[in-house]
Formats: sequence, structure tokens, C-alpha cells
Amino acid sequence: GAVVSQHPSRVICKSGTSVKIECRSLDFQATTMFWYRQFPKQSLMLMATSNEGSKATYEQGVEKDKFLINHASLTLSTLTVTSAHPEDSSFYICSARDMGGGDNQPQHFGDGTRLSIL
Amino acid sequence: AQTVTQSQPEMSVQEAETVTLSCTYDTSENNYYLFWYKQPPSRQMILVIRQEAYKQQNATENRFSVNFQKAAKSFSLKISDSQLGDTAMYFCAFMAHSGGSNYKLTFGKGTLLTVNP
Repeated sequence: GAVVSQHPSRVICKSGTSVKIECRSLDFQATTMFWYRQFPKQSLMLMATSNEGSKATYEQGVEKDKFLINHASLTLSTLTVTSAHPEDSSFYICSARDMGGGDNQPQHFGDGTRLSIL
Repeated sequence: AQTVTQSQPEMSVQEAETVTLSCTYDTSENNYYLFWYKQPPSRQMILVIRQEAYKQQNATENRFSVNFQKAAKSFSLKISDSQLGDTAMYFCAFMAHSGGSNYKLTFGKGTLLTVNP
């Protein structure tokens, strides 16, 4: 089945550090990937839609200069949290759709990245 | 804009029994898809079941089935013969079938299901 790999799974770093998270579709191509943020005991909040070869589309209230997204190939999207601060600590999850699978294809999720900023 | 409502923040069920999780949604779209995702303590998002809005027949996947009522905009999940491994947060999700939506998912707030031995 469709597998999405997300790396790293856990990051602990000092305030002011920039952190890059990778999302890869392992066995399918994805022109579109999605980045979510999830606070404890809450639902997933869509941050942005990552489009291969073009700029990402950010949801309202998400700072695009804070959360840089690059989707340079059909199998890789990256999210960089720039100059991270403690309030950026959260669980970040990516997902991707199989572009060749038809309109009813669901999003397949990575295992998430737990980011802790000290 | 679409909204998805899960009115049950928490539920519990005894092992081997049946439980139904509720989900309602609001949309002006005619073509769309509905999903139930499961998120166990490991926090991995796992697709449980999906339903195309144009299909009248309710989707079934082994012990999981849905009751899709399009007119009422209701999409409940029934879990039969509950197992301890079913303990998880369950999210109902909506995806519009239109180019402008870019296939974004709208999630409900989730229902935490606990299966008791």
C-alpha cells in the first residue's frame, strides 16, 4: 500500500534553531502534500498545501516566513520551522495523495514529528 | 466552507461489544468523500474506512461499517466485536471532489474511544 515516510520522528533543540522535517512518498508520486499541526488531545490543523514545483498554499493565520515549505520533487516535501521558539513545540504530520490513483484516493499520513523547543 | 462535527468527545465500550461513533457535516458540495481515520497512542493516522457520496451503499471493512445518510449529512462509524486494539482517537473527515479544493481534508475534533477488557 501507499507509504509515507516522515523524518525525523523526534526533535529536541534550543530556541532560535531552525528545524527541517522531511516527508517522502515511498511507492507513489504526489504532486500535492499536506502539512498539519496537532496539539495534545486536539484534531489536526491544516497548515499548508505543498505543491510540487510551485509555491505552497498556506492556511489563514499560518506564517509562511516561519514555516517554509519546499516541494522540489514528486516524492519529497520539506517543512522548515525557522528560528523555532517554545510556542512552536507541537506534533507535525504530513500527508500525501497518490496522484495516479483516481479522485477517491485518501491522504496517506506520515508517522509525525514531535518537535520540542527548549 | 465545510464543517465536520463529532459530538462525542469520549466513548467507551466493553470488549466484543458494538459501538457507534457519530459524525455530521455541512457542505454545499454535491460530490465529496468521507473518511474515518484512527489515531492510536502511537499517533499514527490510519485510514479505517471511506465512502463516496455518490454511492448509496454503505461502506464496510471487516468489523467496521458506516451508516451514510446523505440527506441528513450524517456519517456514523460502527465498530463490531470491539477489540482492545481499537482503543484510539477516531477522526471523521470530509474531502470535496472539486479542483478548487485541492483535495484538502476537513477533520472533526475527534472521539476518544476506549475499549475495556
